[in-house]
Amino acid sequence: DTEVTQTPKHLVMGMTNKKSLKCEQHMGHRAMYWYKQKAKKPPELMFVYSYEKLSINESVPSRFSPECPNSSLLNLHLHALQPEDSALYLCASSRGTASSYEQYFGPGTRLTVT
Amino acid sequence: GDSVTQMEGPVTLSEEAFLTINCTYTATGYPSLFWYVQYPGEGLQLLLKATKADDKGSNKGFEATYRKETTSFHLEKGSVQVSDSAVYFCALSDQGRGEGGSYIPTFGRGTSLIVHP
Repeated sequence: DTEVTQTPKHLVMGMTNKKSLKCEQHMGHRAMYWYKQKAKKPPELMFVYSYEKLSINESVPSRFSPECPNSSLLNLHLHALQPEDSALYLCASSRGTASSYEQYFGPGTRLTVT
Repeated sequence: GDSVTQMEGPVTLSEEAFLTINCTYTATGYPSLFWYVQYPGEGLQLLLKATKADDKGSNKGFEATYRKETTSFHLEKGSVQVSDSAVYFCALSDQGRGEGGSYIPTFGRGTSLIVHP
């Protein structure tokens, strides 16, 4: 199984809502990532978890809150988002965080903030 | 800091044409190099990689050679198909960051490829 799954595929939320994005992998990977991707742009790194510990936070606003309950799961909790947060949110995993390890991406969650 | 420069797209080709997408990089160490592809409505997927100088990565008819002397990793395919239409991202991993020294890829801007029948 070389798949990273993400739910939901699409999400529309108001600026006062609270929602969560979910990501799962069963490849035994020990590093997991959240990226934000705007149209026609490369992915922008948000967070990195290594061995279930937060390793990197790219100065992401606190309205985005990551959580790694176990080595297979990664969540992104959303609260009081702004319209400019509308984007494709991609989850990825890798065997580890060495330079030679490629990342496996999920299909993404298309988020629209109204 | 590290950076990746890709040719600006879109690249528009007819089916069976030869493809080259240029990628050059700047890095302080000895990076690993990657090409990822993103089909419409999907996430990125690894196309090929090379981890040391003169390595050639290949997959699905695509090839790229790690050229340290020219700091390049150009993507080539001898005969493209309509199904190759996608956005291609060149990326490198060089310096460790954060707690534990995680190596995070630096992505190029992406190059859109459109193949006509």
